[in-house]
Amino acid sequence: DAGVIQSPRHEVTEMGQEVTLRCKPISGHDYLFWYRQTMMRGLELLIYFNNNVPIDDSGMPEDRFSAKMPNASFSTLKIQPSEPRDSAVYFCASSNSDRVETQYFGPGTRLLVL
Amino acid sequence: RKEVEQDPGPFNVPEGATVAFNCTYSNSASQSFFWYRQDCRKEPKLLMSVYSSGNEDGRFTAQLNRASQYISLLIRDSKLSDSATYLCVVILLPTSGTYKYIFGTGTRLKVLA
Repeated sequence: DAGVIQSPRHEVTEMGQEVTLRCKPISGHDYLFWYRQTMMRGLELLIYFNNNVPIDDSGMPEDRFSAKMPNASFSTLKIQPSEPRDSAVYFCASSNSDRVETQYFGPGTRLLVL
Repeated sequence: RKEVEQDPGPFNVPEGATVAFNCTYSNSASQSFFWYRQDCRKEPKLLMSVYSSGNEDGRFTAQLNRASQYISLLIRDSKLSDSATYLCVVILLPTSGTYKYIFGTGTRLKVLA
């Protein structure tokens, strides 16, 4: 079975450019999470969705970040405009309501903003 | 003070040693506790849940101390393959009613041959 799929796996961009990260959760999972991981701050929850509805976006750092989940099998995290301090690994994870605490992570997107 | 704190390590131990990590949490609304494992340049993966009564999975034992607000992970007979970063995770339900998922920054373990 396919796990959580993220694309791209690596992204290098210049400051000011728009960045879009994509995630396909595990089929049948109704929770989707976006995390950011850096050496300094560790793994931070940015936002999570339940049944495609954003439940908690208190971790989204600022208005430059936005996330959408148009359907159960796809979500995007967009940064516009990007800044060097956004450089991090961005993980998407999914789980189902029967065991919401067991999150399955995707391989991550390594973002470098120059 | 961070909501979830871990000693970053690294803990360097010889093969076969027993090693223990602690993770402290500050919010008494914390409800559920877990340990995740993250290999270098990989995604985190669930290692085990942590129950009040303590639980064991092979060489791994997890415990929760609600009074002192910490959880622990004990690894016996450590293997080279145990080398990884161990993240503690706390799920809390504040008065807002929305679950909060908080990861510690991780404790790095190196098992040496």
